[in-house]
Amino acid sequence: EAQVTQNPRYLITVTGKKLTVTCSQNMNHEYMSWYRQDPGLGLRQIYYSMNVEVTDKGDVPEGYKVSRKEKRNFPLILESPSPNQTSLYFCASRPTGAGNTIYFGEGSWLTVV
Amino acid sequence: GENVEQHPSTLSVQEGDSAVIKCTYSDSASNYFPWYKQELGKGPQLIIDIRSNVGEKKDQRIAVTLNKTAKHFSLHITETQPEDSAVYFCAASIGSTSYGKLTFGQGTILTVHP
Repeated sequence: EAQVTQNPRYLITVTGKKLTVTCSQNMNHEYMSWYRQDPGLGLRQIYYSMNVEVTDKGDVPEGYKVSRKEKRNFPLILESPSPNQTSLYFCASRPTGAGNTIYFGEGSWLTVV
Repeated sequence: GENVEQHPSTLSVQEGDSAVIKCTYSDSASNYFPWYKQELGKGPQLIIDIRSNVGEKKDQRIAVTLNKTAKHFSLHITETQPEDSAVYFCAASIGSTSYGKLTFGQGTILTVHP
C-alpha cells in the first residue's frame, strides 16, 4: 500500500530537548516536504527536498533542520524545541513535476512544554 | 510569493444542502488548484483539482470552478452528507517549474448536520 509514515504520532516534550520526527515513503517519490498546521493558518511549509542530498527552506524554517540521505526518508529535527513549535506536523511526498498529487502522512502531534 | 485566502473559516449546513467554499489567490502565474479534505486524525487527501486551462471540473457531488481573471476558485459540494464533515483546504501552485510549490488556504471546517 502506498503510504507516507510518520513517527511518533504523538509526543509531549520539554523545552530544549532535541527531538526527531521520522518520515518514510514507499512510493519512490523524489519530492518530500514538511508542513505544520496551526488553527487559522492552514498548512505552512517548513522544508522541502527535491531529491537525495537536496533540501531547501520553506516558509517557516526557523528552529527546524532536515536531512535527505536516502530517497525514502526525510526526518524533521528540532534541535532545541520551544513552546511555539507546539503544532501538528505533516510529512508529504510526490513525484517530481508540477501539479502531481501530493500524499500526506497522518500527522504528528507535538507539544513542547 | 503566492498568498491564498479561504472563506469561510467555518460552514454549517443541513444534510442535503449544498456547500460552497471560496478561495482567492494573488499570483497570476499560478496554474494548478487542488482541494484537500482532512478528516479527524488524518492527513489531508486530494479530492479534486483543476488546472488553469479549464474553467470547471466535476466529480460526482463535487465540483470546482476557476475564474482566472478574478483570481478565485471555489469548491461546490451538492447533496451534502454527514460524512462530508471535515476540514477542507484549497491550494495554489505555480506549475511552470518542476518544483510546483503548493500554498494552502487557511482551511474551512465543514459540519453537515443530519
